[in-house]
Amino acid sequence: GESVGLHLPTLSVQEGDNSIINCAYSNSASDYFIWYKQESGKGPQFIIDIRSNMDKRQGQRVTVLLNKTVKHLSLQIAATQPGDSAVYFCAEESGGTSYGKLTFGQGTILTVHP
Amino acid sequence: GAVVSQHPSRVICKSGTSVKIECRSLDFQATTMFWYRQFPKQSLMLMATSNEGSKATYEQGVEKDKFLINHASLTLSTLTVTSAHPEDSSFYICSASRPERAFFGPGTRLTVL
Repeated sequence: GESVGLHLPTLSVQEGDNSIINCAYSNSASDYFIWYKQESGKGPQFIIDIRSNMDKRQGQRVTVLLNKTVKHLSLQIAATQPGDSAVYFCAEESGGTSYGKLTFGQGTILTVHP
Repeated sequence: GAVVSQHPSRVICKSGTSVKIECRSLDFQATTMFWYRQFPKQSLMLMATSNEGSKATYEQGVEKDKFLINHASLTLSTLTVTSAHPEDSSFYICSASRPERAFFGPGTRLTVL
């Protein structure tokens, strides 16, 4: 489905704090989920992904949690830095003939204060 | 990692003119590319799926005669906004898929005066 948001949720944190960004997805058939970071005027930048056969995946300073029961995805950023300030989007893919075709969530604006 | 480029990065045109945006996969071949549109303070919305050697597949509500897509080679897809109007002003982003995931271009800012 489509995702449109005129007022993006915002999250403000202090440098060094941990950040948690949440996302609810709509399609129970989705089997692949990705988090993207988008800075102003730029394309989405891949952060981390997870497949539906997992419930947790860790990267460098980032962790993604997937709860398929309630169709919820979260991104945890440890020791948040000013350079992490951006808009964060979750995206879902239902696979099969939709390979590579993504549906984006509404996004969250993360602001990190020094 | 894989690189996807877009050209131009920004374009300003007069109402009623047509604008072509290119999306290239620089170091891999992509049989499928995708075009998204993003209005200010909003999310990315899929416009169409570009298929190499065949017709594009458009999402509901996207006018295929207004947004012409050509995927003539395995590394190039073009989006032409025909008879552009101010409401077409937006950020257009393409992606190209590899087996591991999709790779996004840097986007093209279109402003229609």
